[in-house]
Amino acid sequence: EAGVAQSPRYKIIEKRQSVAFWCNPISGHATLYWYQQILGQGPKLLIQFQNNGVVDDSQLPKDRFSAERLKGVDSTLKIQPAKLEDSAVYLCASSLGGGRAQYFGPGTRLTVL
Amino acid sequence: LAKTTQPISMDSYEGQEVNITCSHNNIATNDYITWYQQFPSQGPRFIIQGYKTKVTNEVASLFIPADRKSSTLSLPRVSLSDTAVYYCLVGDGGFKTIFGAGTRLFVKA
Repeated sequence: EAGVAQSPRYKIIEKRQSVAFWCNPISGHATLYWYQQILGQGPKLLIQFQNNGVVDDSQLPKDRFSAERLKGVDSTLKIQPAKLEDSAVYLCASSLGGGRAQYFGPGTRLTVL
Repeated sequence: LAKTTQPISMDSYEGQEVNITCSHNNIATNDYITWYQQFPSQGPRFIIQGYKTKVTNEVASLFIPADRKSSTLSLPRVSLSDTAVYYCLVGDGGFKTIFGAGTRLFVKA
């Protein structure tokens, strides 16, 4: 069974530029998560989708971050404009929902200069 | 929302059994307890999940007492490749999934 796919794996941009990340979850997984992980810290949930509806986006900086999950499958996370403090690894995970195990992709390492 | 508390770090030697305990005093009735392992430059990897009593798979065991206010991840006979960060996560998949800082396990030869 294919795992969670993410692209790109690495991205370097300058501050105030825009960037987008893509995630393809495991087939059949209704729940999709985006996390931000800063070096030395645990993953921080940015947004959680159940199918194509938002369950939790309370920690998403909505003035600059946006995410969508069209048709309840793939998802994109966008940052516009980027700040230096957005440098982190952005992780996508999916699960069957209901508290069951999350399966993570390899992440996208973003560096903002 | 169940907050979790784990030791920040642990050291062990190859071949030993390692037990990492997680406290979650306000766990809710519907919450599962899930443990993840993370290596540098990789996403967290699911290890084991349980609701009560004991769960065992090919990688680890999870012990959950009757009151469910804590859980213990047991790794039998660790090797150098088990050096990683281990996260305990408690929830029902609903609002606010929160990872703590995790436990950094360092296995020495």
